[in-house]
Amino acid sequence: AQSVTQPDIHITVSEGASLELRCNYSYGATPYLFWYVQSPGQGLQLLLKYFSGDTLVQGIKGFEAEFKRSQSSFNLRKPSVHWSDAAEYFCAVGGSSNTGKLIFGQGTTLQVKP
Amino acid sequence: DGGITQSPKYLFRKEGQNVTLSCEQNLNHDAMYWYRQDPGQGLRLIYYSQIVNDFQKGDIAEGYSVSREKKESFPLTVTSAQKNPTAFYLCASSTRQETQYFGPGTRLLVL
Repeated sequence: AQSVTQPDIHITVSEGASLELRCNYSYGATPYLFWYVQSPGQGLQLLLKYFSGDTLVQGIKGFEAEFKRSQSSFNLRKPSVHWSDAAEYFCAVGGSSNTGKLIFGQGTTLQVKP
Repeated sequence: DGGITQSPKYLFRKEGQNVTLSCEQNLNHDAMYWYRQDPGQGLRLIYYSQIVNDFQKGDIAEGYSVSREKKESFPLTVTSAQKNPTAFYLCASSTRQETQYFGPGTRLLVL
């Protein structure tokens, strides 16, 4: 079955500290992978995506993610977190076999301590 | 500016009433999607459409209906058959099998 797991429901980090949000997926074909961010009461904004090629992808707001096929993971990282990064983060998987549909993880809420 | 608009921002439904959520895009995208978001449950797909005059049920279509008469528009009707409609509804669009872009959402509340 196709699925996305974000093991951490809630994460708290101090401002300036590094961040890693985990994402594991199960998908039967070549996956397309996405990270989105959502501020309270808002829509989702695309942070970055992986379709093919270099497994380390750069996104907006200083985020990056690494695709590891052997581990079925696509973890999101940021070297130094800012208070404005506090939000909910969603990992999603799609692909050519999925007619454009995306499967979303449950989301990880990031809290940033001053 | 290109983008996706959803209206209204807040919508109130009375018992037994059908309500319609609007979604419009000017990105010239073929595909459009409706998701429901509940706390702690991520996004669940209600309906999607890959082309005008065609749409498919998603994972939680019961109690909802859609139409796709124009490429730019994909309205969602929450019918009286949907017994627990309180949620945040998100519309998205994409070129086929590519990145989905989201609207700002509509919050539906029951009176």
